[in-house]
Amino acid sequence: EADIYQTPRYLVIGTGKKITLECSQTMGHDKMYWYQQDPGMELHLIHYSYGVNSTEKGDLSSESTVSRIRTEHFPLTLESARPSHTSQYLCASSSDRNTEAFFGQGTRLTVV
Amino acid sequence: AQKVTQAQTEISVVEKEDVTLDCVYETRDTTYYLFWYKQPPSGELVFLIRRNSFDEQNEISGRYSWNFQKSTSSFNFTITASQVVDSAVYFCALSEYGGSEKLVFGKGTKLTVNP
Repeated sequence: EADIYQTPRYLVIGTGKKITLECSQTMGHDKMYWYQQDPGMELHLIHYSYGVNSTEKGDLSSESTVSRIRTEHFPLTLESARPSHTSQYLCASSSDRNTEAFFGQGTRLTVV
Repeated sequence: AQKVTQAQTEISVVEKEDVTLDCVYETRDTTYYLFWYKQPPSGELVFLIRRNSFDEQNEISGRYSWNFQKSTSSFNFTITASQVVDSAVYFCALSEYGGSEKLVFGKGTKLTVNP
């Protein structure tokens, strides 16, 4: 059973607001990831981290930022939300290189 | 660069039919890992299987089976005697050992099993 949690599950927010999507895991995994999933289902890697104080941008350019101050916590922040940010955001973690990633339930963000 | 192609966008079957989901991958690495995930309507991705590039044995787990063929760069997934609960989006994914270890996904195949 994976222990990775995302909050909130659903968020509707106005344009221009600053938001932070939370992701926490209790498995002690070094690697964490953020994926953006568009309505057409495709998953795009937007950020990843190999450990504390390590963050890298993924394959899809994103206006969001991430931080990794603690192993278990990998929050994603949007300084000024726009309707184009409307999407599902999935957080994941893995223990070692090339092992399976465990996913949270996702945050469905709607910017109006 | 690594790439995963799932050519079937949507598949619809009637319960008890067998169904195969196709996955074709591209990589320059000789060591790599392939995965299948299931995404039910609730939204989370559920891990199904991981296979490394040196293990070409087919795998069977209950009604699920996987056929890995390096010669055709394919890692297909078959559900035997499908059930309504199998309805979900299924993703194939690839990570390279020598690369950044990023997990790259195909676009997914939406499977609908009708009663």
